[in-house]
Parts: sequence; C-alpha cells; structure tokens
Amino acid sequence: KQEVTQIPAALSVPEGENLVLNCSFTDSAIYNLQWFRQDPGKGLTSLLLIQSSQREQTSGRLNASLDKSSGRSTLYIAASQPGDSATYLCAENSGGSNYKLTFGKGTLLTVNP
Amino acid sequence: KAGVTQTPRYLIKTRGQQVTLSCSPISGHRSVSWYQQTPGQGLQFLFEYFSETQRNKGNFPGRFSGRQFSNSRSEMNVSTLELGDSALYLCASRGGTNEKLFFGSGTQLSVL
Repeated sequence: KQEVTQIPAALSVPEGENLVLNCSFTDSAIYNLQWFRQDPGKGLTSLLLIQSSQREQTSGRLNASLDKSSGRSTLYIAASQPGDSATYLCAENSGGSNYKLTFGKGTLLTVNP
Repeated sequence: KAGVTQTPRYLIKTRGQQVTLSCSPISGHRSVSWYQQTPGQGLQFLFEYFSETQRNKGNFPGRFSGRQFSNSRSEMNVSTLELGDSALYLCASRGGTNEKLFFGSGTQLSVL
C-alpha cells in the first residue's frame, strides 16, 4: 500500500524566510509527483509536477526536487510572503497513465508579516 | 478557459438518503477523477473516468459510484448515506498523461 508522509505538519515562519517542506513516499515505482496548495475551504491548485525521470522543477519562487532512490521530495519556497500561507500537499502517482494519486496529510504553512 | 466546475457547492442530507454530485471538466479534458477529503483521513482517491470508462477505483464501498458522459461531464452518486460520508468531495480533470491535475472547488457534503 502506498503511503505518503509530510513533515512538518505545521510550520510558522517570518516573512522573507526561505523554507523547505518535506515529502516521503514508499512506492519506488512512482510515475510522477505533484505538489499542490490548498487554501481554506477551497480546492487544490497544482504548483509543480515532476516526472519520475526528472530531478527537479522550478516555477518562480518554488523549486521541487525528486529523489526516487530515497523516496523523498522537497518543496523549496524562496523569500516567503504572507500570501504563501496555505496547506501544501504532495501526491504521488503510481497508477501510470491511469492516474491514482496518493496524498500526504499536508503541511500547514503560516507566513507572518 | 473556464476551470473545473462542481455543483452544488454545499449539500445537507440525512442518513439513508442518496446524493448526486456533478463535475464539468476543463474544456478538452477527457479524464475526470474524484477524491474525498476529510480531516481524519485526508484526501483519498475514489475513481477516475476516461472517455466514459472507469479506469481506476479506490478502496470505497459500492455505495459510491460514478459515471461520465460523452461530453466528459461526470457525476458521482452516494447511496444510503452514512454520517461518515460527510466530507469535501473534489473533482479533478487533466488533458494528458503527463499533465497536471486541475481541481474544482469541491462540494461540501454534510450528512445529519
């Protein structure tokens, strides 16, 4: 059974700080991994998608890495802003083209002005 | 381009009733998947449809079912509702195998 773990469960940082969110997964046959952001009472917004053949993806202040051998992914957020406050979820897809995501429980990020 | 649209936004039902949720994917997207989100279990995969065929199913009882129409719109049905079915139900669509999932805002179901 695939399992995805996210550490820490909650994180509070001052504005401007760089931070790293961690995600670990048990399925070595991962197809791809996505990082999402969820605001309270809302749906999920996809941030970055990393294919199993890739090591990292970047979008603006966000950088996600993938290490299949260790079963880990990290999301790096540079120069954090109060608007980054949200729950960040990682999800691994081991279903191949038959998409079936297994989600972690998320990290609740609070960026204080 | 319009995003994924889910209706209704909120639903209140009583135990034993049944409910149907609707999802309209992004135009051109043929894959629609459904997820259940609860505070205790987090996000759990329900099923995925592609071109009107269910391709994958999560570990949920048979009370949970779905279908997809020729225009890619999808519906999810839950029969004989239980208190534990109270959750945020999220629908997502994608356009291709290696593409991101786009989620709707969800339907918040409360079972009393």
